[in-house]
Amino acid sequence: QTVVTQEPSFSVSPGGTVTLTCGLSSGSVSTSYYPSWYQQTPGQAPRTLIYSTNTRSSGVPDRFSGSILGNKAALTITGAQADDESDYYCVLYMGSGVWVFGGGTKLTVL
Amino acid sequence: QVQLQESGPGLVKPSQTLSLTCTVSGGSISSGSYYWSWIRQPAGKGLEWIGRIYTSGSTNYNPSLKSRVTISVDTSKNQFSLKLSSVTAADTAVYYCARVRIAVAGMRVYYFDYWGQGTLVTVSS
Repeated sequence: QTVVTQEPSFSVSPGGTVTLTCGLSSGSVSTSYYPSWYQQTPGQAPRTLIYSTNTRSSGVPDRFSGSILGNKAALTITGAQADDESDYYCVLYMGSGVWVFGGGTKLTVL
Repeated sequence: QVQLQESGPGLVKPSQTLSLTCTVSGGSISSGSYYWSWIRQPAGKGLEWIGRIYTSGSTNYNPSLKSRVTISVDTSKNQFSLKLSSVTAADTAVYYCARVRIAVAGMRVYYFDYWGQGTLVTVSS
């Protein structure tokens, strides 16, 4: 079974920059996996941030950006704000109508 | 503005079948540009993709749940549904329905663009 890996937790200072990553237990993540990123705060449904590796969803501030770094997908937050403190999930499209979520990263801003 | 709304029993007994419906408003479920998907999240844990359906009725499921899951679509009601059989306490979760965008301006994208608010289903006797 394919496992999508994310850092369980990360911390960033207000105004700082943080990069969260999304990898595969076996192999490299490429644009062919159409990586997407979602932000979730407690009690809320996920909010779409990034799709197709690096395209921001409507209304998402440009301090959120996506990329491929090495063999992983990455979400970079530049100029972190207090309300960026959330859980972040990446999802990879495995083909044939199947998706796999990463375990999520809990981001703390302090 | 597309909206999705989950509905169904909030409490299901062990070994029974969990049944949920997602009602789509603000857009047609028959549009060929989208899949329709179910995702769940146990309390304090991450998101898990359950499966997806296309307007034609074609489906794909998470291999770990495949033997117990059925997703169907009712285009006349603009709804799609989830059935999960033989449930146990491990199936207790918030269940989300979501729209999957397949393409944007002719380019493949494959991401979840609209989500329902989620509904908590508890498996307990």
